[in-house]
Amino acid sequence: GEDVEQSLFLSVREGDSSVINCTYTDSSSTYLYWYKQEPGAGLQLLTYIFSNMDMKQDQRLTVLLNKKDKHLSLRIADTQTGDSAIYFCAVRDSWGKLQFGAGTQVVVTP
Amino acid sequence: KAGVTQTPRYLIKTRGQQVTLSCSPISGHRSVSWYQQTPGQGLQFLFEYFSETQRNKGNFPGRFSGRQFSNSRSEMNVSTLELGDSALYLCASSSTRGATYEQYFGPGTRLTVT
Repeated sequence: GEDVEQSLFLSVREGDSSVINCTYTDSSSTYLYWYKQEPGAGLQLLTYIFSNMDMKQDQRLTVLLNKKDKHLSLRIADTQTGDSAIYFCAVRDSWGKLQFGAGTQVVVTP
Repeated sequence: KAGVTQTPRYLIKTRGQQVTLSCSPISGHRSVSWYQQTPGQGLQFLFEYFSETQRNKGNFPGRFSGRQFSNSRSEMNVSTLELGDSALYLCASSSTRGATYEQYFGPGTRLTVT
């Protein structure tokens, strides 16, 4: 099955950039996603990238995909306190199911 | 456009009981997926329904079942509840299985089994 791995914790100062990394094993993955979860809430879709793209930018968010290394990253520019949350990387596997990483807790400090 | 709604939001049940959770997808979305989220196992896929048919199933025992109605609303049922079934159950809807497959999640149902 699909393995999706993320680092568990990231601390960043307000105003700096955050980079959250994710690696996956299924080379046939077609779509890769980033979700955000705030305490007590469901998952909010932030952005996604198709596997034939290297980069996608959406306002403060930049997704980079290195398909050769099976590495996905999410960069958040000018990180704000409201960005404190758990961020999940998800990969659509060859069966059409979403496989999630364990999530990266991002803590933004003033 | 209203988002994905799940009812109830919180539920407390006793071991051995059964429970039914409900999910109403975004209007026009025909695919509904269910996930279980626990601190130990993270987010795990339960099953997916599309046009009233189960299309994918995760590695969960037969105590976990679901169905989808003609209006795309979905229910999941857990019978003979165990303590380990305590979790946040998330429902997600998407408009198509063939395109970007963007899944939009509801707020979840927090199930506590005592």
